[in-house]
Amino acid sequence: EVHLVESGGAMVKPGGSLRLSCAASRVTFSHVWMSWVRQAPGKGLEWVGRIRSKVDGETTDYGTAGKGRFTISRDDSKDMMYLQIDSLKVEDTAVYYCVTDGVYATTFEYWGQGTLVAVSS
Amino acid sequence: DIQMTQSPSSLSASVGDRVTITCQASQDISNYLNWYQQKPGKAPKLLIYDASNLETGVPSRFAGSGSGTSFAVNISSLQPEDVATYYCQQYHNLPLTFGHGTKVEMK
Repeated sequence: EVHLVESGGAMVKPGGSLRLSCAASRVTFSHVWMSWVRQAPGKGLEWVGRIRSKVDGETTDYGTAGKGRFTISRDDSKDMMYLQIDSLKVEDTAVYYCVTDGVYATTFEYWGQGTLVAVSS
Repeated sequence: DIQMTQSPSSLSASVGDRVTITCQASQDISNYLNWYQQKPGKAPKLLIYDASNLETGVPSRFAGSGSGTSFAVNISSLQPEDVATYYCQQYHNLPLTFGHGTKVEMK
C-alpha cells in the first residue's frame, strides 16, 4: 500500500516561514496528483491545495486559506512533495496531512500520519 | 465556494442501531461527493466515493446515497469500531471543501 510520511512540522512564531515535506513510497509518484489537507486542533478538515503530475503540467490549485502564502512543489526524482508556508499566522496551527489524489483526482485516497505546525508568539 | 453542511454535529447511538448522517451542499454538485471516516488520533480514511460507492474493504453496513444537493451516509447496524468523525467532501468545484464533521459516539 502507498506510504506517505510528512516531516518538517515545528513551533514557529507568527510571521515566520516553514517548509513541510512529504516522502512517498510504494507508488509511481510521478503519475499521481498530490494534495495537502490540514486540521486545526479539535476542528474539521480543510483542503490546502494540490499539485498535478508533471504530465498534467505540474500546476497547482489552492484553497481559500492557502492563496498567496502557500506554495506546493514536488520533486519526482526523490518522490517528494513540499509545502512552503510564508507569513505564518496563529490560525495556521494545524496538523498538515499529505494525501494522494485518487486515479481520477476526485478523492483523497491515501493519507500520511500528519505533521504538526504550531504558530505562537 | 461550495458550503457543505452536515447534521447532526454529533450523535450517540447503541450497538446495532441504524445511524444516518446527512450532508447538504450549497449548490448542485451532482454526485461529486465523498465521505471520509476519521477515528480518534488517526488520519482520515476514504469511506464512500461518488456519493454511493463503497471504497474497497469498507463493510457493507455502510451505504451512501443522494445527488444534487442532499446526501446521506447510513450505517445499518452500528458497531463499536464505527466510533469516529465522518466528513463529507465535494469535488464539483474548486476549492475542494469538506463538511464540518459528524462525531459518532457509542451510548
